[in-house]
Amino acid sequence: AQSVTQPDIHITVSEGASLELRCNYSYGATPYLFWYVQSPGQGLQLLLKYFSGDTLVQGIKGFEAEFKRSQSSFNLRKPSVHWSDAAEYFCAVGMDSSYKLIFGSGTRLLVRP
Amino acid sequence: GAGVSQSPSNKVTEKGKDVELRCDPISGHTALYWYRQSLGQGLEFLIYFQGNSAPDKSGLPSDRFSAERTGGSVSTLTIQRTQQEDSAVYLCASSLDRGAHNEQFFGPGTRLTVL
Repeated sequence: AQSVTQPDIHITVSEGASLELRCNYSYGATPYLFWYVQSPGQGLQLLLKYFSGDTLVQGIKGFEAEFKRSQSSFNLRKPSVHWSDAAEYFCAVGMDSSYKLIFGSGTRLLVRP
Repeated sequence: GAGVSQSPSNKVTEKGKDVELRCDPISGHTALYWYRQSLGQGLEFLIYFQGNSAPDKSGLPSDRFSAERTGGSVSTLTIQRTQQEDSAVYLCASSLDRGAHNEQFFGPGTRLTVL
């Protein structure tokens, strides 16, 4: 069965520091990959997505993610974190044969001033 | 409004009561999804509507849960005889069409607390 693992429940970084959030998936073919962000009291907002082509994708708010087939990973990165980036981040996997998204359990990002 | 809206934003109920949660999708979106987000968990798929097709109810956790979508637009998720384990945030999303490649736009959710 398809699954998504986000191994870090919480991550704390200092403002201005770089960030990498990990995501690993289990799926036989190349999936559709997504990163969503959820701010307190808000719905989920799409940061970026990967379907095919260039394995490094750029998203909104200065985020990027790299698809690595050999590692079944789709890690999210940002070179310099802002205090407003504090939120919960969800990785999700979709499949060509289905409309369903499988979500990871999320990583909560805390930003130190 | 331009986005997905949900009401109420918060709902506190007593165990055993029925609750109704409402979702207004983005106009023109044919696909509508309900998810449940329990504390510390990711999103759990509940149900999916696509146009006039029969909904996919495979994620509903028990027969106390049901949902309908009237006129291909507004959807209502009903939980009968609520239990404490039903406490969660219920999120609704819509997309232009079916298929995982279609971006899902999420509402702000309804936080349900069952006492």
